[in-house]
Amino acid sequence: LAKTTQPISMDSYEGQEVNITCSHNNIATNDYITWYQQFPSQGPRFIIQGYKTKVTNEVASLFIPADRKSSTLSLPRVSLSDTAVYYCLVGDFSGGYQKVTFGTGTKLQVIP
Amino acid sequence: EAQVTQNPRYLITVTGKKLTVTCSQNMNHEYMSWYRQDPGLGLRQIYYSMNVEVTDKGDVPEGYKVSRKEKRNFPLILESPSPNQTSLYFCASSLLAGEYEQFFGPGTRLTVL
Repeated sequence: LAKTTQPISMDSYEGQEVNITCSHNNIATNDYITWYQQFPSQGPRFIIQGYKTKVTNEVASLFIPADRKSSTLSLPRVSLSDTAVYYCLVGDFSGGYQKVTFGTGTKLQVIP
Repeated sequence: EAQVTQNPRYLITVTGKKLTVTCSQNMNHEYMSWYRQDPGLGLRQIYYSMNVEVTDKGDVPEGYKVSRKEKRNFPLILESPSPNQTSLYFCASSLLAGEYEQFFGPGTRLTVL
């Protein structure tokens, strides 16, 4: 699995857009990028996944540049309930690769 | 309700006393996995299972055993727990080994004295 690097923590005010960037310089051709969210004392929850360009769902957007060496999770107009740890994962799971590495994630603190 | 359940949710035990943490999913998922979470280290995979009777080591398998005799259950066994296994443990499952979305259980907080 490609190694990922994320900021350890970020602060944001309520109502702002938050962008969390993940660096994955060694991403392989078949690798996908996946983001999870974890609240304190709960298991992680899948947010979004993509391969290239832009993916959007009801929760977030994922921007992936052409070289795919980084990706940015965008959370629109955050609220206090978005305070959580966000994990970026990179890997090729399509061919039956089963090992998963989460890393340490980015702790987002939303301030009133 | 589709879910992953773990039992117990909290456990305090002593060094060397064998214990089992159960994990069960009702979604007919093929893939199941165990993680431990420690401050500053994030989530680390212990073992995973692609299907019944198929298990393999993750990043930190030492001191743990697993079994997958039925599709829905994936117990984590600590034959001789030690204090360095004090941690928060999560079980997860996904429909197939190649699926990107894993569903996580509520966690088991284990303390080994």
